[in-house]
Amino acid sequence: ELKVEQNPLFLSMQEGKNYTIYCNYSTTSDRLYWYRQDPGKSLESLFVLLSNGAVKQEGRLMASLDTKARLSTLHITAAVHDLSATYFCAVDDNYGQNFVFGPGTRLSVLP
Amino acid sequence: KAGVTQTPRYLIKTRGQQVTLSCSPISGHRSVSWYQQTPGQGLQFLFEYFSETQRNKGNFPGRFSGRQFSNSRSEMNVSTLELGDSALYLCASSLYTPLGETQYFGPGTRLLVL
Repeated sequence: ELKVEQNPLFLSMQEGKNYTIYCNYSTTSDRLYWYRQDPGKSLESLFVLLSNGAVKQEGRLMASLDTKARLSTLHITAAVHDLSATYFCAVDDNYGQNFVFGPGTRLSVLP
Repeated sequence: KAGVTQTPRYLIKTRGQQVTLSCSPISGHRSVSWYQQTPGQGLQFLFEYFSETQRNKGNFPGRFSGRQFSNSRSEMNVSTLELGDSALYLCASSLYTPLGETQYFGPGTRLLVL
C-alpha cells in the first residue's frame, strides 16, 4: 500500500528565512506532485516531477525528486507572507491505480 | 480560457439522501478526476474518467459513483449519505491523464450531511 508522509506537518517561519519541506513515499514511483492550498480554497498545482533528479523552480519555491531515496523536497527561499498556505505532495503508483496525497504541511510565514 | 467549474458550490443534505455533483473541465481537457477532502482523512482520490470511461478508482464504497459525458463534463453521485460524507469535493481536469500532467482544480463543492 502506497503511503506518503510529509515533514514537518506545521511550520512557522519568519520572513526572509529559508526552509525545506520533506515528502517521503513508500513504494516505487517516479512521478511526484506538489500542490498549494490557501485556507478555504481549492488546490493549485505547483510542480510535477517526472524523473529521478528532477528539479523545478518557480519564484521562491524549488522542488526536487530523488526516486532512489523515495524523497522529494520543497525548498523555500527567503520566505514572504504570501507563501503562507498548506502544501501537499502526492504520488501515483506506477500502475496508475492510485493517487495518494501526503497529510500536508501548514506553513505560516510571520513578518 | 475558462477554468474548471463545479456546481453547486455548497450543499446541505440529510443522512440517507443522495447527491449529485457536477464538474465542467477546461475546454479541451478530456480527463476528469475527483477527490474528497476531510479534516480527518485528508485528501483522497475518488476516481478518474477519460472519454466517458472510468479509468481508475480509489478505495471508496460503491455508494460513490460517477460518470462522464461526451463533452467531458463529469458528475459524481453519492447515495445513502452518511455523516462522514461531509467534505469538500474537488474535481480536477487535465488534457489526457492526471499522471505526469498538470491538473487544474475547480473551486470545490462543500457538502454538509446532517
